[in-house]
Amino acid sequence: DAMVIQNPRYQVTQFGKPVTLSCSQTLNHNVMYWYQQKSSQAPKLLFHYYDKDFNNEADTPDNFQSRRPNTSFCFLDIRSPGLGDAAMYLCATSRDVAGWSTDTQYFGPGTRLTVL
Amino acid sequence: QKEVEQNSGPLSVPEGAIASLNCTYSDRGSQSFFWYRQYSGKSPELIMSIYSNGDKEDGRFTAQLNKASQYVSLLIRDSQPSDSATYLCAVIGAAGNKLTFGGGTRVLVKP
Repeated sequence: DAMVIQNPRYQVTQFGKPVTLSCSQTLNHNVMYWYQQKSSQAPKLLFHYYDKDFNNEADTPDNFQSRRPNTSFCFLDIRSPGLGDAAMYLCATSRDVAGWSTDTQYFGPGTRLTVL
Repeated sequence: QKEVEQNSGPLSVPEGAIASLNCTYSDRGSQSFFWYRQYSGKSPELIMSIYSNGDKEDGRFTAQLNKASQYVSLLIRDSQPSDSATYLCAVIGAAGNKLTFGGGTRVLVKP
């Protein structure tokens, strides 16, 4: 089945120790997104790639970076995790053939990040 | 004012009853509307999308959209305990470049 895969599902890191989260998709979608979701809050968009074009949200901290080496894979790098970065990180994709305005986003299972 | 607003709940409904969830949005030019279900500790799962005024039915779920009132709702008929989850309303605004989520409504279906 075509799907969005995230690895690892659970990640524990130490304060200040860089961490990379991975997302892959078999949907061949053009757009990939990274969201941060803290407990009892709505998902918050960090950034997205439209194909190879990177689009950062204005309020995304510089501590968060992303890479998309090819259509299938996208990575979220947290350079110096703080305690406030503990959250669920969600990867999503959308096809964007007809245009952004109607496009459905499909989410991966998420990675739960714990910062000690 | 938040861009997308939902009552946080919990909305408690007896098994077999209809659960009614509401969502309002501030961007009058919004074009696309989605309902996602999220179980605790899991990722959002798409339930419905709606783009035009009126009702859209899919199984036990009905989405209703009223763009003039900037209001979208979700009805869950014959509610089951497995429907207990948080339901997220999400909207793509006039600029068409961002999906904005509401805070979610927690639904509890009691046997």
